[in-house]
Amino acid sequence: EVQLVETGGGLVQPGRSLKLSCVASGFTFNNYWMSWTRQAPGKGLEWVASITNSGGSTYYPDSVKGRFTISRDNAQNTLYLQMNSLRSEDTATYYCTRDPRGYFDYWGQGVMVTVSS
Amino acid sequence: DIHMTQNPVSLSAFIGDKVTITCRASQDISRYLGWYQQKQGQSPKFLMYYASNLLSGVPSRFSGSGSGTEYSLTITGIQPEDAATYFCQQCYSYPRTFGGGTKLELK
Repeated sequence: EVQLVETGGGLVQPGRSLKLSCVASGFTFNNYWMSWTRQAPGKGLEWVASITNSGGSTYYPDSVKGRFTISRDNAQNTLYLQMNSLRSEDTATYYCTRDPRGYFDYWGQGVMVTVSS
Repeated sequence: DIHMTQNPVSLSAFIGDKVTITCRASQDISRYLGWYQQKQGQSPKFLMYYASNLLSGVPSRFSGSGSGTEYSLTITGIQPEDAATYFCQQCYSYPRTFGGGTKLELK
């Protein structure tokens, strides 16, 4: 059974940093691209970042490019999202997702990030 | 960026009804479209890929169609467990983008 478990969320002040982690199990982690997708309270879904299975390439939308960094440790079956210079508009539930061919076929339970002073 | 427009934003249906949700892309996405279902308080669930290919385990009352810029998700014979918000998503190009969602409520 595929499982994705996110940790690291919380309340953070604007301008500060936070790092999310996602531990994967139930599949061969290093065979899959992985992504982060977020959902602001009561809003829709927004793709945040993707990383190739080797970690050699990463992709971001303009809204987070230069502030967020996705990375992975294939030996530990773990995906990360380093979030710097956080803004109030980054407040959302962040989901770790498996990313085969551009779709998001498995989602974690999500972790809440609140950016507020 | 490819903008995805879903309609309607919300709809209400009876058990057993047939409903259709549409998703329009701002440019041709060549059927690189997925559909997701999100129930209240839960993570999204992947239903369908390449516009019409159902994931294993998804009930056959769900179907998808479309091409170019126009796509649709149809539920034929709605069941109580189908009450949810449905999102479309294009993976034709970066950035990956989602539709705004369609909330399906049961009468």
